[in-house]
Amino acid sequence: EPEVTQTPSHQVTQMGQEVILRCVPISNHLYFYWYRQILGQKVEFLVSFYNNEISEKSEIFDDQFSVERPDGSNFTLKIRSTKLEDSAMYFCASSEGTYNEQFFGPGTRLTVL
Amino acid sequence: SQQGEEDPQALSIQEGENATMNCSYKTSINNLQWYRQNSGRGLVHLILIRSNEREKHSGRLRVTLDTSKKSSSLLITASRAADTASYFCAPVNNAGNMLTFGGGTRLMVKP
Repeated sequence: EPEVTQTPSHQVTQMGQEVILRCVPISNHLYFYWYRQILGQKVEFLVSFYNNEISEKSEIFDDQFSVERPDGSNFTLKIRSTKLEDSAMYFCASSEGTYNEQFFGPGTRLTVL
Repeated sequence: SQQGEEDPQALSIQEGENATMNCSYKTSINNLQWYRQNSGRGLVHLILIRSNEREKHSGRLRVTLDTSKKSSSLLITASRAADTASYFCAPVNNAGNMLTFGGGTRLMVKP
C-alpha cells in the first residue's frame, strides 16, 4: 500500500542553523501539507501546497519557513534559522484532492540545541 | 477556530468492551476525519465522513455525524489491547483544506 515517507527520522541541530526536512508524498496525490506537534501538545497545521504554490498557511509559518517541491517526488520544509522552540515532530501529509483523506508520514523529530 | 474537541480526554476499558469517543466542533463542515496516534508515532487515518453522511463503518469502527448538533462519535467495537492509542477528530470546513486537531481522547485497553 502506498505511503508517505519522511527523512530523516530524527534531526539534531544547533540553534541558528538551517534544516531541511524531506518528504515523499504518495505518488498520485496533488496536495501536500506540513504539520508539527510539540511534545505533549496538539498537532498544528503549518502549510498546504498545491500546483507549486502555497494554498494556505498558519500564523506559525512565518518567514523562517519555506516549502518546495524540487522535483516530481520530493516535498521539503526548510527552516532558515532554527530556534529552540522549533523543536517538535514534523509531519508531512498528502491527499488526492481537495477535501479528501490526508495521509501522514511517520514524522521527523527535530531537536534544536 | 474550527478545531474538534474530543470527549472524554481519557478512557480506560477492558479488552472486548466497546469504546465510544465523541467530538464537537463549532462551524459548518465539508467533512470530518478521525485519526489514531500511538505514542510518539505518526497519525493513522481511520475514517472520513462527509457532511451529507450520517454513519460510516470500517471493520470494527463506526463513525456517526450529526451536523445539526455539530458532533461526531467514533465507536470501536470488541476492543483489543492494540487499540490503545490517542484518537483525534479533525473537522474540515469549506473554506480550506487544513485539518485542525484537538487534544484527543487517550484510550487504554487493558488485556
